[in-house]
Amino acid sequence: NAGVTQTPKFRVLKTGQSMTLLCAQDMNHEYMYWYRQDPGMGLRLIHYSVGEGTTAKGEVPDGYNVSRLKKQNFLLGLESAAPSQTSVYFCASRPAQDTGELFFGEGSRLTVL
Amino acid sequence: GQNIDQPTEMTATEGAIVQINCTYQTSGFNGLFWYQQHAGEAPTFLSYNVLDGLEEKGRFSSFLSRSKGYSYLLLKELQMKDSASYLCAVKDSNYQLIWGAGTKLIIKP
Repeated sequence: NAGVTQTPKFRVLKTGQSMTLLCAQDMNHEYMYWYRQDPGMGLRLIHYSVGEGTTAKGEVPDGYNVSRLKKQNFLLGLESAAPSQTSVYFCASRPAQDTGELFFGEGSRLTVL
Repeated sequence: GQNIDQPTEMTATEGAIVQINCTYQTSGFNGLFWYQQHAGEAPTFLSYNVLDGLEEKGRFSSFLSRSKGYSYLLLKELQMKDSASYLCAVKDSNYQLIWGAGTKLIIKP
């Protein structure tokens, strides 16, 4: 029972490099989210998706892009990484029937030098 | 602006009771959530309150007062494994979750 899986778990980038974080869920959830978590701050929503082929901006979308080509996958891209994007990134999902509960992946720790 | 306030850190003794408070100011209200997050791990769902009152779930209880913009999470019979951060989140009028910074709970023997 995998739930929500994020890859990679850790990554170190140099300023200006690009990378993609992959989130995969096997619960057939409609809604998927990308958050970042920084010390002393609450989780901040980057982008989200309410279904296959749709994405929307969250609270802090600048510098990130996303795609939801398949229902089970939600990709987060950094085109030109900056030190301010050093953070822990969490993917989450939930079914369309909103019970309120989000199911989180284990997180991806990204360091940009 | 929207704001969720909770204490940064609390310390309690194994076997005791602790109450973690959360106050909120949001544009609309569609529910309040508590999540537990152990260091280096993902948040996991604890409770959901949408109506005023107390919701009890085993050793954990959550209370909500919408008129006061206030909630608390009550943990009884504390165990060492309860050492974690506790995140308060409110769903606003756009059904988006607004998260507090979390309360780090330290349990001492």
